Amino acid sequence: AQSVTQLDSHVSVSEGTPVLLRCNYSSSYSPSLFWYVQHPNKGLQLLLKYTSAATLVKGINGFEAEFKKSETSFHLTKPSAHMSDAAEYFCVVKGGANNLFFGTGTRLTVIP
Amino acid sequence: DAGITQSPRHKVTETGTPVTLRCHQTENHRYMYWYRQDPGHGLRLIHYSYGVKDTDKGEVSDGYSVSRSKTEDFLLTLESATSSQTSVYFCAIGRGETYEQYFGPGTRLTVT
Repeated sequence: AQSVTQLDSHVSVSEGTPVLLRCNYSSSYSPSLFWYVQHPNKGLQLLLKYTSAATLVKGINGFEAEFKKSETSFHLTKPSAHMSDAAEYFCVVKGGANNLFFGTGTRLTVIP
Repeated sequence: DAGITQSPRHKVTETGTPVTLRCHQTENHRYMYWYRQDPGHGLRLIHYSYGVKDTDKGEVSDGYSVSRSKTEDFLLTLESATSSQTSVYFCAIGRGETYEQYFGPGTRLTVT
């Protein structure tokens, strides 16, 4: 079975400082993993995806994530937070029938 | 923009009444999905479709039915709405080689 665990429900950073959002996954086979972002009262936008190619994946808006099989992790990072990064972030693993299993989300607050 | 629209965008209904939500896509994708989003749960899959008249249940399908008579439309029906079905409902399409999902803007449903 596939699942993800987002280790922090809320992360707060100052503008200009690094962002780290943590995600561990569980999968019975080589996983496809995603990060989605949801701004307040908006839909979900795909940030980046890992599909067994390069382990370091670059996404939109300066975000990237590293797939670490030995740690079963897929943490999302950004070198310097911007006010517009304030949103909810979801780590997601793809299951059978191309279904997605979502984590419970991490709310990122950026302090000016 | 994945060309996905949802209607209505907001609806308030009374317990026991039937409700149908519509998802429309303009890009002729085979896979379509319905999710609900609730605080503390992320998104959970209700039903999905892998072609016209081909549908299957997701994680939280009780109390919901779906239909897909045309490629572009995927309908979600609550036969007799309950207060526990108050939620935000998102439709998604699966696109690309890895079937990553792209989401519609959501429908906020309140059952009183």
